[in-house]
Amino acid sequence: KAGVTQTPRYLIKTRGQQVTLSCSPISGHRSVSWYQQTPGQGLQFLFEYFSETQRNKGNFPGRFSGRQFSNSRSEMNVSTLELGDSALYLCASSYQETQYFGPGTRLLVL
Amino acid sequence: SQQGEEDPQALSIQEGENATMNCSYKTSINNLQWYRQNSGRGLVHLILIRSNEREKHSGRLRVTLDTSKKSSSLLITASRAADTASYFCATDAGGGSYIPTFGRGTSLIVHP
Repeated sequence: KAGVTQTPRYLIKTRGQQVTLSCSPISGHRSVSWYQQTPGQGLQFLFEYFSETQRNKGNFPGRFSGRQFSNSRSEMNVSTLELGDSALYLCASSYQETQYFGPGTRLLVL
Repeated sequence: SQQGEEDPQALSIQEGENATMNCSYKTSINNLQWYRQNSGRGLVHLILIRSNEREKHSGRLRVTLDTSKKSSSLLITASRAADTASYFCATDAGGGSYIPTFGRGTSLIVHP
């Protein structure tokens, strides 16, 4: 099976802009989770979607949002970007208790 | 906040040596998993150990779990330069959907 794919891989934005990241899970996986990884905070959970519904949410401001489509593909959106949003954004699809991660989208906010 | 905390933060060894990294956590868990991350890439699942298991092996990897001490260790035997990566433990407290909580990781460098 193909692995988890994320697009784009790299992104440069300026403060105040918004960004949409995309994730395609492994075929048959219905759960998709998003994480933010920074050197200072480590790997932090953003949210999880299962069958198009947000099932869990981390402690991030409302500027961070997501959705999942009927084919399990997921998008996350960050509005009004701040410098601190610069990070590696990882998507993972789950089968039972194991998460399978995509390569990530590296976002740089200038 | 991190549930699991890996120790040491950084480890530098020679090829062929064994590498041991530890993970401590705070609350009861259903299972604990170890992941590897090569520089700037996604995480790769290595091994899962359940709370009722004490030791598990996978190839050159050996994981132990001591629930009384709330700690786990990952041993990589006969390390190779390709093992250079960051290693994370992730704990799951259960309660329905699985959302692992990751530690900050151990950065392992294996010198050829």
